[in-house]
Order: sequence, then structure tokens, then C-alpha cells
Amino acid sequence: DTGVSQNPRHKITKRGQNVTFRCDPISEHNRLYWYRQTLGQGPEFLTYFQNEAQLEKSRLLSDRFSAERPKGSFSTLEIQRTEQGDSAMYLCASSAGGVSTEAFFGQGTRLTVV
Amino acid sequence: SQQGEEDPQALSIQEGENATMNCSYKTSINNLQWYRQNSGRGLVHLILIRSNEREKHSGRLRVTLDTSKKSSSLLITASRAADTASYFCATVNNAGNNRKLIWGLGTSLAVNP
Repeated sequence: DTGVSQNPRHKITKRGQNVTFRCDPISEHNRLYWYRQTLGQGPEFLTYFQNEAQLEKSRLLSDRFSAERPKGSFSTLEIQRTEQGDSAMYLCASSAGGVSTEAFFGQGTRLTVV
Repeated sequence: SQQGEEDPQALSIQEGENATMNCSYKTSINNLQWYRQNSGRGLVHLILIRSNEREKHSGRLRVTLDTSKKSSSLLITASRAADTASYFCATVNNAGNNRKLIWGLGTSLAVNP
């Protein structure tokens, strides 16, 4: 296991199209997080899973965003009817659980909406 | 929502000098973590300090935590050009069961050879 894997690394899409990103966490990690990051900013929390349960979803997420983690393994983040403001780096992280554990991040998916 | 605020926002130093970055936060925390991010890449965990700890070391890194002032500092000693990156602090709060990381805006460090 080489760490958290995100696909694709880059995605360019036209406004109004739907996109889906995938995150494969470290296999024994039960927690999975999605963040969004724009240039010059820190990561913004989007949503969080413990195993297959989605425990929290940020108010930043509109109804166009949905995330799943079937079977508590990989996760997908879908954005419907993309808008230019959705352009950002989407980061996935996983952790082994517990409060004092570090999060391991993937390389991110950079989304550009044109 | 952002909690941490790092300062300075940008720091430029010469190789061999020490770099100090500060982070302030707002709520009661369980722990505070520092991460590094190279341009266009994911974040890499550097060090975690718990709320009952005051100082922690890891290689050339030294982190302090002052819970009375709700602040932390990251010191990189004998900096190298390869240390050029953005550095973020993130906190895990004590409220509720959700232990998500809450992030600051980061300090952009440039180490000039």
C-alpha cells in the first residue's frame, strides 16, 4: 500500500457537466475526509466518513455535491452541474481513527471548470 | 470553517537561517498538527502536539504550544532550499464526536540558496 490515491489527478470540464472523483485510502484506515483547497488558502472541510457512514457534511457543500463510501473502502465525490466556482484542488485524506492520529493525504484532484 | 491563523503569511530567508511560523486558534483543542505542502501537491504531516504538551521536537523541527494564548509556533532550524513549501497548522477540537481537522491559511516559506 503506497498511501492515499486519488484519481484523476487533473480534470477539465465544461460548466454544467457532472464530474466524479475517486479516493482510495490506506487500507486499514477507517476515517476518510474530503477537503477543497483554492490557491493561497488552507484546506476547507467538505465531508467525513467513518467506515461507510457519512458523519458530517459541510454547509459549504451545496446539493450539487454528494459523496459516498460504499463498504467503507474507497470513496467518490460527485459534483453535478459544475460551476466555475467549483474550480479547485480536491483533497482526500484518511486516518486510522482516534483523536491523536495524523491524516495522510492524497495528491489531490485539480478541477478546472471552463 | 477556518480556525487557525498562521503568521507570517509569507516568509523568505537564506539557507542556513532559522524559520519561525506562528499559528493562533480559537477554540479548545485536543491536539494541534503541522503539515507541509509543496506547490500543487498533497499535504504531508510533520508533527502533532497534544494539548497537555508544551514543546515537541522532530529532527530540525521544534513545535511549541501555549494553550493559554491559543497559539503554537513551528521552528525549522538550519533551513535548506528543500524546505521551501507552504506550512499549515490544523487543530482537532474537543467538541462533540467529530474529530475533523480545522485548518489555517498557511505560511508560504521560501528558502533561498
